[in-house]
Amino acid sequence: AQTVTQSQPEMSVQEAETVTLSCTYDTSESDYYLFWYKQPPSRQMILVIRQEAYKQQNATENRFSVNFQKAAKSFSLKISDSQLGDAAMYFCAYWSSGGYQKVTFGTGTKLQVIP
Amino acid sequence: GAVVSQHPSWVICKSGTSVKIECRSLDFQATTMFWYRQFPKQSLMLMATSNEGSKATYEQGVEKDKFLINHASLTLSTLTVTSAHPEDSSFYICSASRGYGYTFGSGTRLTVV
Repeated sequence: AQTVTQSQPEMSVQEAETVTLSCTYDTSESDYYLFWYKQPPSRQMILVIRQEAYKQQNATENRFSVNFQKAAKSFSLKISDSQLGDAAMYFCAYWSSGGYQKVTFGTGTKLQVIP
Repeated sequence: GAVVSQHPSWVICKSGTSVKIECRSLDFQATTMFWYRQFPKQSLMLMATSNEGSKATYEQGVEKDKFLINHASLTLSTLTVTSAHPEDSSFYICSASRGYGYTFGSGTRLTVV
């Protein structure tokens, strides 16, 4: 079974600074996708960034980028120029196209942005 | 695109009554929808997978008779919490499969009194 681990329950960052959230996963599959979702206080799940496992290039979306290390099964999220609106819970997630197709979520990291 | 609408966003019901939560894909057809439960400060816990035109697949430990799921069309899945009790109070979120990845509804906060 796939597992997703987020070892940082809480993180804080100064506004305009950079922060990195960690995520590791375990799988025996070769074809899968990894995601970072943001859940602000409204509790709406928002897709931040997506990475296809077959792509070596790290995904980027504006101020958000990932460091995908497939061999190490690591998928960290870097937030640059942090803004107050980035404060939220961040969930790392795994999905594969085979089998059950369900998403496996990590336990989440609560990010606090300090003005 | 890929919008999922979930209603109601907040509901209070009396113990022993049933509550229905709707999840609609507004601009795409979703053959598969998923229902999650989220406790405060915790991650999402998958309850069941809803497949259009067939029975839902429940995760281990989820009571099928308490959490009834119906996926009668390609755009609508419903979760009915039957004979609700205070311990069923939680935040319920649906999501729809769209190729590789998911789109989530805005969630329903259920309070059973």
